[in-house]
Amino acid sequence: GAVVSQHPSWVICKSGTSVKIECRSLDFQATTMFWYRQFPKQSLMLMATSNEGSKATYEQGVEKDKFLINHASLTLSTLTVTSAHPEDSSFYICSARDWRMNTEAFFGQGTRLTVV
Amino acid sequence: GDSVTQMEGPVTLSEEAFLTINCTYTATGYPSLFWYVQYPGEGLQLLLKATKADDKGSNKGFEATYRKETTSFHLEKGSVQVSDSAVYFCALSDTGTASKLTFGTGTRLQVTL
Repeated sequence: GAVVSQHPSWVICKSGTSVKIECRSLDFQATTMFWYRQFPKQSLMLMATSNEGSKATYEQGVEKDKFLINHASLTLSTLTVTSAHPEDSSFYICSARDWRMNTEAFFGQGTRLTVV
Repeated sequence: GDSVTQMEGPVTLSEEAFLTINCTYTATGYPSLFWYVQYPGEGLQLLLKATKADDKGSNKGFEATYRKETTSFHLEKGSVQVSDSAVYFCALSDTGTASKLTFGTGTRLQVTL
């Protein structure tokens, strides 16, 4: 299947700083990318949907000014957690699909963020 | 809104035992249904899917049948292996393919020798 790569796999940052997470589709063009958040022992919660070249659509309750999403190209989307706080510590996972090819969504391996 | 309910884990089985993980859903329309697996330290991988009623998805010895009458999509495997130890997520999408997914809470499976 298609490969989606997330970077970094894990990151530790200080409270108040910003962290950028990258999601790349390695062998296909991702017209749509999704960002999920997974709390320990809980399910994945969709944070936002981004389509290449347009603004992301955020789910209810997700602060768009805190979680900045950029999908500037067909192979790259970034999630920036701004002014991170300990409660932002979580596992963030992206998925990507090419709607033109009507493919399923493929998931990255996830990024574990720890804010200290 | 859409929702997915999975049996709580963890589920602990001996190798070669029969596995069932229950999943029921609530959705408007005719969703597509999926099972994803998450191995330790990894992201989610699609295990199998079914896009319409009575479809049976299967992969790696796992199977699940889309039951519209009971709104269920239970995951089964006849003989589990230690390597099947992982967290299994049931999910649905109301847009045909696996785009915007609604997940269940996940069920951890631990298989022992």
